[in-house]
Amino acid sequence: TQLLEQSPQFLSIQEGENLTVYCNSSSVFSSLQWYRQEPGEGPVLLVTVVTGGEVKKLKRLTFQFGDARKDSSLHITAAQPGDTGLYLCAGDPSNTGKLIFGQGTTLQVKP
Amino acid sequence: NAGVTQTPKFRVLKTGQSMTLLCAQDMNHEYMYWYRQDPGMGLRLIHYSVGEGTTAKGEVPDGYNVSRLKKQNFLLGLESAAPSQTSVYFCASSYWGRRPQETQYFGPGTRLLVL
Repeated sequence: TQLLEQSPQFLSIQEGENLTVYCNSSSVFSSLQWYRQEPGEGPVLLVTVVTGGEVKKLKRLTFQFGDARKDSSLHITAAQPGDTGLYLCAGDPSNTGKLIFGQGTTLQVKP
Repeated sequence: NAGVTQTPKFRVLKTGQSMTLLCAQDMNHEYMYWYRQDPGMGLRLIHYSVGEGTTAKGEVPDGYNVSRLKKQNFLLGLESAAPSQTSVYFCASSYWGRRPQETQYFGPGTRLLVL
């Protein structure tokens, strides 16, 4: 059983379209993180959301933490081919430094 | 700074062979981690270390051993490789693992194929 469920698992869109990726759990997290991973490389942290209801923006990327701190979303506006990659949400349910990752969302943005 | 480095980048093993994966970080981080990544399963924690000389089990520790003799190095060993251990292995480090906002820095990965 995956503690963090991401949807969709695969997304193929045209350049300029908008998209949203979801990360859901039945457990409460003190914070959730979003990482992006490009082929052949390790994940790189994009953002950490800490407060329920928090919204953070990173250029065209908007991250939201659910009010109950059980879910998060990543919205990309006007996607570009450079956004292509694997997006992973992660959280530490026990606050011991051990991250649990969602299964990932593979995004392909076609020019 | 090189960040987190991993050696080797790619390896092919036969069932039953042993090998050691090396992870090194030059950021003076206390916490180090070994993950494996399989299609459709995200990253799963194998073992981790909260400081020099310490190790602890993660989510999927069976078939692996680790050692942290020096603060900057974290070794992952496979004593008798099995085809189920075919995967991409990532090492990561963080300065202090218990803060919710802590960033984990990942290496480039080691691709392992067990025949």
